[in-house]
Amino acid sequence: ETGVTQTPRHLVMGMTNKKSLKCEQHLGHNAMYWYKQSAKKPLELMFVYSLEERVENNSVPSRFSPECPNSSHLFLHLHTLQPEDSALYLCASSQVRTENNSPLHFGNGTRLTVT
Amino acid sequence: RKEVEQDPGPFNVPEGATVAFNCTYSNSASQSFFWYRQDCRKEPKLLMSVYSSGNEDGRFTAQLNRASQYISLLIRDSKLSDSATYLCVVREGSDMRFGAGTRLTVKP
Repeated sequence: ETGVTQTPRHLVMGMTNKKSLKCEQHLGHNAMYWYKQSAKKPLELMFVYSLEERVENNSVPSRFSPECPNSSHLFLHLHTLQPEDSALYLCASSQVRTENNSPLHFGNGTRLTVT
Repeated sequence: RKEVEQDPGPFNVPEGATVAFNCTYSNSASQSFFWYRQDCRKEPKLLMSVYSSGNEDGRFTAQLNRASQYISLLIRDSKLSDSATYLCVVREGSDMRFGAGTRLTVKP
């Protein structure tokens, strides 16, 4: 049983729609992440929130907008997406410490299809 | 140059075989290292952390060479259930960098 839950599991949306992905972690971690996994590509880091502050944005298009209201919840707001944005979107959490940082714990992912 | 680079694979091996995966990373300041396993259409799951002294967990042995910036994973006595994609992961601060993964298929 995963300590990180994502909803929805599957999402089909048109290019003009607005939708949001939700993630919740029950592990007491202080960092949360959004990753994108496209077919036959490595996981791509989209956003990191550490101690509720966004610390990195890997030049992700502005049609993806993250929100982290507290250390347990993370959202990814989607609007005017393109078909090439179809992918598996994975949320993860970890405990970031000075040393011996914990590994990532992933949610089940949201499989997104943009039509 | 890719930040985390893995054997291209795929690896197709018979049950009982020993198989080794290699991984190199470009950032010498990387702090922590992990191997993850990902089954088809599922999320990645932690297989094991990798320590400088090397570590073993049953049939799995991980090694780290910081001087060469090299990580390895050895699987002994392969089982059918070991079939998956194995991801090398490197931590840089709060960021985790993933390799592209190596696909392993263990056949009867």
